[in-house]
Amino acid sequence: NAGVMQNPRHLVRRRGQEARLRCSPVKGHSHVYWYRQLPEEGLKFMVYLQKENIIDESGMPKERFSAEFPKEGPSILRIQQVVRGDSAAYFCASSPLRQNTDTQYFGPGTRLTVL
Amino acid sequence: QKEVEQDPGPLSVPEGAIVSLNCTYSNSAFQYFMWYRQYSRKGPELLMYTYSSGNKEDGRFTAQVDKSSKYISLFIRDSQPSDSATYLCATLSYNTDKLIFGTGTRLQVFP
Repeated sequence: NAGVMQNPRHLVRRRGQEARLRCSPVKGHSHVYWYRQLPEEGLKFMVYLQKENIIDESGMPKERFSAEFPKEGPSILRIQQVVRGDSAAYFCASSPLRQNTDTQYFGPGTRLTVL
Repeated sequence: QKEVEQDPGPLSVPEGAIVSLNCTYSNSAFQYFMWYRQYSRKGPELLMYTYSSGNKEDGRFTAQVDKSSKYISLFIRDSQPSDSATYLCATLSYNTDKLIFGTGTRLQVFP
């Protein structure tokens, strides 16, 4: 029974390039959440998606960031034209039900470094 | 003012000590309170969650919530070197789905 999978685990990009981060939720989970963790800071909510729908994107920067969770395949967090300030660890979490707080499982994260 | 405040530490204790980790929060709408443990270069792992005020115990861990003072605590009894990690408190209000995290407290338990 695989947990949340994220890939790549480490991603290096130069300024101006695109970064695509993938998250495969626990099998059977239809709710996905993305969080960002800057050095020495706690996790900050970015976006909450349910299959094919964005439910809450209040934590997403208005420009360059987008997220999707298609009917088939993993959830994707896409960052266009990356800048050094985008360097962070990006975690996704999944749950089977909305607001089921005891079963929001986190993945191992993708560490993005922007040169 | 941050919605959830947590002392970043580091906190260094000898093996066997009782550890007390604390957070304060500002929004009285928060109903759910969680503690996550995060080892270096890993994702957060849910340790405990409580709803509203009260205590919850699980083995060596006790979570405590005092809504009147907006104060949440995690106690670790008989601490072990394997408990060395960053501990993150998090809250959630009833009508949202986004966890609000503290900055995390780095704990080191030395033999």
